[in-house]
Amino acid sequence: AQKITQTQPGMFVQEKEAVTLDCTYDTSDPSYGLFWYKQPSSGEMIFLIYQGSYDQQNATEGRYSLNFQKARKSANLVISASQLGDSAMYFCAMREVNYGGATNKLIFGTGTLLAVQP
Amino acid sequence: GAGVSQSPSNKVTEKGKDVELRCDPISGHTALYWYRQSLGQGLEFLIYFQGNSAPDKSGLPSDRFSAERTGGSVSTLTIQRTQQEDSAVYLCASSPERGAYNEQFFGPGTRLTVL
Repeated sequence: AQKITQTQPGMFVQEKEAVTLDCTYDTSDPSYGLFWYKQPSSGEMIFLIYQGSYDQQNATEGRYSLNFQKARKSANLVISASQLGDSAMYFCAMREVNYGGATNKLIFGTGTLLAVQP
Repeated sequence: GAGVSQSPSNKVTEKGKDVELRCDPISGHTALYWYRQSLGQGLEFLIYFQGNSAPDKSGLPSDRFSAERTGGSVSTLTIQRTQQEDSAVYLCASSPERGAYNEQFFGPGTRLTVL
């Protein structure tokens, strides 16, 4: 069964430092996508970054990068140069790629609450 | 352009009452998803609509939950005979199409409180 595990309920980081948020996943499907979403206290889910299972390079989007280690089934999010506005809940999610018409639902982890300190 | 919208933003109801939650996806998006987020938890998939295909209802927790999507656009999630454990934020998302990679765009959610 598909599963996403985020083992860090909460993290602190000093402003301007880098932080790594852990995510491991479990799937038997060779084709899948991994997503990170940010959820500020206002509640909206904001897409950050995507990694496909067949992508050769780690995904990067501005200050966000994904440390994808396929053999270990991990997809950690790295935020560089943390800002106060990065304080939020961060969710790792996975979607199996179904070409046969099945759903493309996302399976979410339980999230990591990041607090950036000045 | 406009994002995914949901209404109402907050709903307080009494146990046993029925509620309807509405989602307006981004125009042109063929895929629509409903998720539920209980306090301090991640998102739980409920139901998925894709074009004219039969919806995937595999995440609906009980037969008290149902959803429909009219005209391939607006969707309504209905919870009958609400229970206190139904209290959660209900999030709707849409994406352009089914495929290898499709970012899901989320609405602001409806916070449901069952007293």
